[in-house]
Amino acid sequence: DTAVSQTPKYLVTQMGNDKSIKCEQNLGHDTMYWYKQDSKKFLKIMFSYNNKELIINETVPNRFSPKSPDKAHLNLHINSLELGDSAVYFCASSPTGTNEKLFFGSGTQLSVL
Amino acid sequence: TQLLEQSPQFLSIQEGENLTVYCNSSSVFSSLQWYRQEPGEGPVLLVTVVTGGEVKKLKRLTFQFGDARKDSSLHITAAQPGDTGLYLCAARINYQLIWGAGTKLIIKP
Repeated sequence: DTAVSQTPKYLVTQMGNDKSIKCEQNLGHDTMYWYKQDSKKFLKIMFSYNNKELIINETVPNRFSPKSPDKAHLNLHINSLELGDSAVYFCASSPTGTNEKLFFGSGTQLSVL
Repeated sequence: TQLLEQSPQFLSIQEGENLTVYCNSSSVFSSLQWYRQEPGEGPVLLVTVVTGGEVKKLKRLTFQFGDARKDSSLHITAAQPGDTGLYLCAARINYQLIWGAGTKLIIKP
């Protein structure tokens, strides 16, 4: 069974559209994250969610909104997509909530045309 | 300003050679992690080092944490094509996890 799974794997869409990426972890971890990896492979934290506490990275546009229906799921909704949003988005989870031992999903490659 | 500098950015060597990649900062780390990322996949944790001067071995991979906890190195002995990937370091600095930009390693058969 995949520990951290995210869907879709690839997402191609037009500018201005709204899209969602789903993430589920079956590891029983308390903390989940969304990361953005740009074309230079630099990983940037977007959000972390520890139980009911959402920690927002202030550099992330408010067009991005994470939603966590329960501890095992953290979805990412993006409104009014822009060309610069094209990147690979990774979901991750960790057991302690202190950024230790991150377990990553396989990524969603988002292409905005 | 990037807090973690990884070098080299790119390294391509022949199978069987040895190599070392580096992760450096001017800040002191609480701990440091090394991950390997293969194309189309997410990063996978290789090791966590916590104590200054600590050395950990994972088969042919040797990880060292600097005495001052500001730098780390990854040495691979007798590299194999399966070692190909993007090697990322991530350091805990002031309760945040900071990532380097990675070293892209290609091992040619």
